[in-house]
Amino acid sequence: GAVVSQHPSRVICKSGTSVKIECRSLDFQATTMFWYRQFPKQSLMLMATSNEGSKATYEQGVEKDKFLINHASLTLSTLTVTSAHPEDSSFYICSARDLHRPGTNEQFFGPGTRLTVL
Amino acid sequence: TQLLEQSPQFLSIQEGENLTVYCNSSSVFSSLQWYRQEPGEGPVLLVTVVTGGEVKKLKRLTFQFGDARKDSSLHITAAQPGDTGLYLCAGPSNDYKLSFGAGTTVTVRA
Repeated sequence: GAVVSQHPSRVICKSGTSVKIECRSLDFQATTMFWYRQFPKQSLMLMATSNEGSKATYEQGVEKDKFLINHASLTLSTLTVTSAHPEDSSFYICSARDLHRPGTNEQFFGPGTRLTVL
Repeated sequence: TQLLEQSPQFLSIQEGENLTVYCNSSSVFSSLQWYRQEPGEGPVLLVTVVTGGEVKKLKRLTFQFGDARKDSSLHITAAQPGDTGLYLCAGPSNDYKLSFGAGTTVTVRA
């Protein structure tokens, strides 16, 4: 149980285009999903917290107009990188908290999406 | 923000050797989690420690939570190439966020 998927796993795009990444909880409902960014051999950096039916909360220094987050259902959150530039190239990972396990801090992670902006 | 410091940052050992990774903080955590991440994949939860002084074993991996719940360690016995990966410790922050350590890259040479 507690499987999280991401799509696509890899994407290459031209500078200036927008890219949408999907994060789905496959066998549980998630009121809260998190989006992280990771550079090679570094730890995860939290970008934003996505709550179903409400606006996302962004961490300091993360541009909300650049990284659009939508959490329209209990099993799907999307991250859109708008007007992508080469410096946006990174590994983007989502995670989800199980709605029916409210007392724990466990997050279940997706497999990540490798974004390369040319 | 509660900070978690991991050490060492990099660890390269020969197959069959033992290794220990440390996770320290000046703050008290209600729990700590350990994850392993392989290249190109998301982190996978290995264990959650909750009680001060707790020791949990997962095959050749032994996890300890400090008595004061400020630190934790991961010990691998007789490491194998399959243990290679990035090991991350994480603790709960506000609003159900996780605060991650910087990670330890472990390489086990055959």
